Amino acid sequence: AQSVTQLDSHVSVSEGTPVLLRCNYSSSYSPSLFWYVQHPNKGLQLLLKYTSAATLVKGINGFEAEFKKSETSFHLTKPSAHMSDAAEYFCVVTQRNQGGKLIFGQGTELSVKP
Amino acid sequence: ETGVTQTPRHLVMGMTNKKSLKCEQHLGHNAMYWYKQSAKKPLELMFVYNFKEQTENNSVPSRFSPECPNSSHLFLHLHTLQPEDSALYLCASSQESQGALETQYFGPGTRLLVL
Repeated sequence: AQSVTQLDSHVSVSEGTPVLLRCNYSSSYSPSLFWYVQHPNKGLQLLLKYTSAATLVKGINGFEAEFKKSETSFHLTKPSAHMSDAAEYFCVVTQRNQGGKLIFGQGTELSVKP
Repeated sequence: ETGVTQTPRHLVMGMTNKKSLKCEQHLGHNAMYWYKQSAKKPLELMFVYNFKEQTENNSVPSRFSPECPNSSHLFLHLHTLQPEDSALYLCASSQESQGALETQYFGPGTRLLVL
């Protein structure tokens, strides 16, 4: 069975400081992992994805995530937060034999203070 | 975001009403999905259509009835809903090929309120 746990329901940072959103996963087979972002009253936008290639994945808007199999983690980072980064972030896991079925974490709300 | 469109964006309905949500994807994909996003809960997959055939029904109550007339359009017909069905309903699409995991692209959602 697969599952994903986002360790923080809310993270608050100051503009210009680093962002760390934590995600741990559980998967019986080699997983594919995604981070999506959802701004208020908007749909979900893909930030980045890991599909068994390079373990350090770079995404849009300066975000990146590192797949660590030994720690079953896929944390999302950004060196310097911007006000426009304030949104809800979702970590997602799936497997090749699941026919595209995505398992979503509960989300982490990121607040960015001026 | 313009690759997957959803209408209406907001909907208020009574428990005895019948309404439909519409989703259209302009990406040439062959798979489409309905998700439900309730407050404080993870996104829940409701239905999956692959090449217009329903391949997943995630134990969704029969008051939700999906329809996929072609690979570009997906509907969710609603009737006799309950207040707990109030949520954001998201549509997504992807290109599936022999189980290969392609990215799902989401629409902006329909915010539904059932009174």
